Amino acid sequence: AQKVTQAQTEISVVEKEDVTLDCVYETRDTTYYLFWYKQPPSGELVFLIRRNSFDEQNEISGRYSWNFQKSTSSFNFTITASQVVDSAVYFCALSENDFGNEKLTFGTGTRLTIIP
Amino acid sequence: DTGVSQDPRHKITKRGQNVTFRCDPISEHNRLYWYRQTLGQGPEFLTYFQNEAQLEKSRLLSDRFSAERPKGSFSTLEIQRTEQGDSAMYLCASSRDRGSANYGYTFGSGTRLTVV
Repeated sequence: AQKVTQAQTEISVVEKEDVTLDCVYETRDTTYYLFWYKQPPSGELVFLIRRNSFDEQNEISGRYSWNFQKSTSSFNFTITASQVVDSAVYFCALSENDFGNEKLTFGTGTRLTIIP
Repeated sequence: DTGVSQDPRHKITKRGQNVTFRCDPISEHNRLYWYRQTLGQGPEFLTYFQNEAQLEKSRLLSDRFSAERPKGSFSTLEIQRTEQGDSAMYLCASSRDRGSANYGYTFGSGTRLTVV
């Protein structure tokens, strides 16, 4: 069965520091998708990125970057020059094709607090 | 594309009462998912519809829970004889098929249920 581990429960950094959120996953499938979502205090899950298992290129979007390494089953997320608005809970998630059910399996999340 | 809508946003009910939640997915999304999120945890899969067919139910979904998606449009999640352990955020998500362009999940804002 699939599993996602986010070992960092809470992280606090001072504004403008860089921060990396770790994600390790387990799956038996060769085809899968990985996601990161942001959950601000309002509660809605905001999509950040999707990566399929065949694309190991790292991606950068503004201050956000993602490092996907199949060899270590990791999909880490880095925020550069953090801002107070980045404070939220961040979830990593895995989607397999389980007989047509493409449900997401989430990690337990990392609560990120940016200190002004 | 108006996003995924959930109603109500908050529900407080007495133990033993029945409650019903509604989810309106993005219109062109044929897949609809219900998740439950308790405090400090990531969302957990409850059930999944492809069009109007309910194709999978999690073991988390006891006999007191029932979900429908008539005509493959909106969905309802009913909890009968609520218990305090049902208190959680209930999230709805919709998506296209994995093979579609822009594959991904869009989540609603959730319904926060409190059973007193």
